[in-house]
Amino acid sequence: EAGVAQSPRYKIIEKRQSVAFWCNPISGHATLYWYQQILGQGPKLLIQFQNNGVVDDSQLPKDRFSAERLKGVDSTLKIQPAKLEDSAVYLCASSLAGVSTDTQYFGPGTRLTVL
Amino acid sequence: AQSVAQPEDQVNVAEGNPLTVKCTYSVSGNPYLFWYVQYPNRGLQFLLKYITGDNLVKGSYGFEAEFNKSQTSFHLKKPSALVSDSALYFCAVRDGSDKLIFGTGTRLQVFP
Repeated sequence: EAGVAQSPRYKIIEKRQSVAFWCNPISGHATLYWYQQILGQGPKLLIQFQNNGVVDDSQLPKDRFSAERLKGVDSTLKIQPAKLEDSAVYLCASSLAGVSTDTQYFGPGTRLTVL
Repeated sequence: AQSVAQPEDQVNVAEGNPLTVKCTYSVSGNPYLFWYVQYPNRGLQFLLKYITGDNLVKGSYGFEAEFNKSQTSFHLKKPSALVSDSALYFCAVRDGSDKLIFGTGTRLQVFP
């Protein structure tokens, strides 16, 4: 079974530029998550989708971050404009149904460096 | 609000010795507890979880964890450490909400 796919793996941009990350979840998984992992910290949830609807985006900085999952499968996370503090690893995860007992499976992440 | 603490930034152990990585949690309802491992430049890999039932949970790669409700702990253990176990370990907790809250991670270093 293929895991969660993410691209690109690495991205370096200058502040105020824009960037987009792509995620393809495990086939059949209804729930998709984007996390931000700053160096030395645990992952922090940015947004959760159930199929193509947003379940929780309370920690997404909506003035600069946006995400979509238009067809209920793959998803894109965008940052515009980027700030220095956005340097982090962006992890995508998916789970079967999104209930509390579900296991979340993570992709390899995209390491973003903002100069 | 739910939270999870990993009191040790780093744990050092000799190969072949038992290892323990500590985790304590705080939730308002029944806890659902998870352990993940992260290797360099890789995403998080699921090791095991506690939902209900037997307090001793067995997971991948010979790891196990013991749920202790009175001490609100969920320590990760392995009877005999391998050098290849060296990685960053994260404990995470969920209560009735869907949000998974992670600890700050513990770096495990296994010396040959």
